[in-house]
Parts: sequence; structure tokens; C-alpha cells
Amino acid sequence: KQEVTQIPAALSVPEGENLVLNCSFTDSAIYNLQWFRQDPGKGLTSLLLIQSSQREQTSGRLNASLDKSSGRSTLYIAASQPGDSATYLCAGTYNQGGKLIFGQGTELSVKP
Amino acid sequence: DAGVTQSPTHLIKTRGQQVTLRCSPISGHKSVSWYQQVLGQGPQFIFQYYEKEERGRGNFPDRFSARQFPNYSSELNVNALLLGDSALYLCASSFRDLDYTFGSGTRLTVV
Repeated sequence: KQEVTQIPAALSVPEGENLVLNCSFTDSAIYNLQWFRQDPGKGLTSLLLIQSSQREQTSGRLNASLDKSSGRSTLYIAASQPGDSATYLCAGTYNQGGKLIFGQGTELSVKP
Repeated sequence: DAGVTQSPTHLIKTRGQQVTLRCSPISGHKSVSWYQQVLGQGPQFIFQYYEKEERGRGNFPDRFSARQFPNYSSELNVNALLLGDSALYLCASSFRDLDYTFGSGTRLTVV
């Protein structure tokens, strides 16, 4: 069964810290991997997409990497800000156009 | 350019009733997917449609059905509602089967 685990489930850090969120897959044959942000009661906002031929993507203070051999992805957030407080979800597909399989998310709180 | 739009935003239904949720994809996106997100969990895949054909179905009972129209908009129907159907229902559209863009969701409460 293809499952996704995100560690930690919750994280609280002071403003300005660099932090890493982790995501692992029981089936390492990931095709595409996408990181999302979700604010309370809202939909999902796409942050980064790592396509099948790529290993990492960067956008501003965010960097996501994918190690297919180990079935793991990390999301690195530099110089965290209170506005980064949200739940972060990773999701993978196993073929082009396939369904997204989500982790349960990491709830991040950045304290001023 | 409008994003993925879903309607209604909130809905309260009674057990046993039927509900229809609507989704309009981003212009040019031919793939629409539906996900159910229960509080505290990650979204779970329900259906995917591409060019009006069902491409995939998740592990949900037959009370759940969907369809896609010629303009690529989609409806999700749920019959005989149960309390456990209370969730945030998310619609996503995709262009070229790469990244997925989600709508803001429909919050369904079954009482």
C-alpha cells in the first residue's frame, strides 16, 4: 500500500529559525512530488513541484528536495516568519497524471 | 485569470439527504480531481476525470459519484449522507498532468 508519512506532526519555532520538514513514502517509485500549504479551513496552495527528472526546486525562502532512492523528501524553510504558520502537506504521484497521495501534514507555528 | 472555483463554500445537510458539489477548473485545464479532507488528516482521492472520462476512482462507496461536462467543469454527488461524510471537499485541476491547482473547497457538515 502506498502511504506517505510526515514528520513531525507539529512544530513550533521562534521567528528567524531555519527549519526542515520531512516526508517519506512507503513506495519509493515516486513520479512527481508536490508540496502544499494549507491555512486553517482553507484550500491548498501549491508551493513547489519536483518533476520526475528533477531532484530539487527552490522558490524564495523555500527549497524542496527529493531522494527517490530512499523515498524521502524535505522542505527547507529559511528565516521563518510568523506568516509561514500553516499546515504543510507533501503529496506524490506514481505516474503522469496520477492521483496525489498525501501525508497527514506538519502543522507549523512560527512565534514572533 | 480565475483559479479553480468551487461552490458552495459551506453546506449543512441532514443525514440521508443528497448533495451536489460543483467545480470549475482553470481555463484550459482538462483534468479535474476530487479529494475529501477530514479534519486533521491529509486529503484522500475520490475521483479523477480527464476529457469527460473517469480516469480513476478512490476507495469510496458507490454513494459517491461524479461527472465532467463538455466545458470541463465537474460535479460531485453524494447520496444517503452519513455523519462521517462531514469534511472539506477539494477540487483540483491540472494542465498537462503536471502540477495540481486546488480550489478553496466546500465545507460539508452532516447533522
